[in-house]
Amino acid sequence: GAGVSQSPSNKVTEKGKDVELRCDPISGHTALYWYRQSLGQGLEFLIYFQGNSAPDKSGLPSDRFSAERTGGSVSTLTIQRTQQEDSAVYLCASSLAASSLGNTIYFGEGSWLTVV
Amino acid sequence: DAKTTQPPSMDCAEGRAANLPCNHSTISGNEYVYWYRQIHSQGPQYIIHGLKNNETNEMASLIITEDRKSSTLILPHATLRDTAVYYCIVRVASSNDYKLSFGAGTTVTVRA
Repeated sequence: GAGVSQSPSNKVTEKGKDVELRCDPISGHTALYWYRQSLGQGLEFLIYFQGNSAPDKSGLPSDRFSAERTGGSVSTLTIQRTQQEDSAVYLCASSLAASSLGNTIYFGEGSWLTVV
Repeated sequence: DAKTTQPPSMDCAEGRAANLPCNHSTISGNEYVYWYRQIHSQGPQYIIHGLKNNETNEMASLIITEDRKSSTLILPHATLRDTAVYYCIVRVASSNDYKLSFGAGTTVTVRA
């Protein structure tokens, strides 16, 4: 597809269950990012991938959160034992590798997670 | 420590130009000015970016002052679908500059 694709668009889960969120970046984009945004709040960085490697995982809020990327393309963000405070929209974004021409980060539409 | 300041809100009449200001007085020489917008419940949408020259694309124009301390995003013919929160950020044009701080942005309401 032309843009960053995320699924599911909406997910309601019970507290304590695990969830997986998927991101399909723009074709050819080697950099991939996960952010989350709570209602009315700013953007919170979670993790950065360059290819299949994650040089920066500093934003993951706890060890219940993990992410992987395979084949330099699709990424999955997994939240184990979900808590109500995990409720947010999870945004995936991608960009080309470092460039001197103005490297733009493009976002997907997000996955809305509600933990009840 | 926001690197940009924007007015909290503005109204615009449908069909008229919307001029959105942004101050970035501490911008570094290698930082670009990027504009995104976020329509309720959607992910941020890239609009335009620039370094020091004025830029135009199919969505908007970006006017950057000569000293690069401020810029203006121009939506030439605002429509109701342009109602959104608009964010001005500065960042190095590298995949390594990704901890984006959107701030509060400007809530633009386009009225019929």
